[in-house]
Amino acid sequence: GENVEQHPSTLSVQEGDSAVIKCTYSDSASNYFPWYKQELGKRPQLIIDIRSNVGEKKDQRIAVTLNKTAKHFSLHITETQPEDSAVYFCAASSPRGAGSYQLTFGKGTKLSVIP
Amino acid sequence: GAGVSQSPRYKVTKRGQDVALRCDPISGHVSLYWYRQALGQGPEFLTYFNYEAQQDKSGLPNDRFSAERPEGSISTLTIQRTEQRDSAMYRCASSLVGGETQYFGPGTRLLVL
Repeated sequence: GENVEQHPSTLSVQEGDSAVIKCTYSDSASNYFPWYKQELGKRPQLIIDIRSNVGEKKDQRIAVTLNKTAKHFSLHITETQPEDSAVYFCAASSPRGAGSYQLTFGKGTKLSVIP
Repeated sequence: GAGVSQSPRYKVTKRGQDVALRCDPISGHVSLYWYRQALGQGPEFLTYFNYEAQQDKSGLPNDRFSAERPEGSISTLTIQRTEQRDSAMYRCASSLVGGETQYFGPGTRLLVL
């Protein structure tokens, strides 16, 4: 099955700096890569996603890049703000036949933005 | 519109008891997923439905765990003869169709004493 590795597990940045979180996946058939933000005690919320037919996607201060050859994808947050502090999860979706899709998550990155 | 809802939000039970966790997906969403999330970890896949059909149950830990979605809308995850190791946050998610964006519910925190 799919295996997703996520690094780093914790990340501290000064407000205004950039943050980068990296993930690798093992299943070359995976074709959808969402990123979720989870604040303490809250549900995971989708912040951005990318499909395997594009290499980069940007939404204001957030961007995601995908390298299919190397099987890795990254989340970039620019001009970080204290409200960006949360746990971020990457995930990879692999088709499993008969219309079934399984989302495999990384272990998460705890981002702390220091004012 | 209304998001994914789950009930109960908290459940405390004694070891050996059965529990039923309910998920109400976003209206019109074909696909429904169950996950288990340990503290500080990412959600771990349990099972997946398209309409009422259980497409994949490979993530269910053992035969004490079962799920159903009889009318293709609300789903119930049942854990029989609960054990302390079953204590976790159980999350449900739904998507318009399989492979599309998944929206998560608030979860049910289960504590087995």
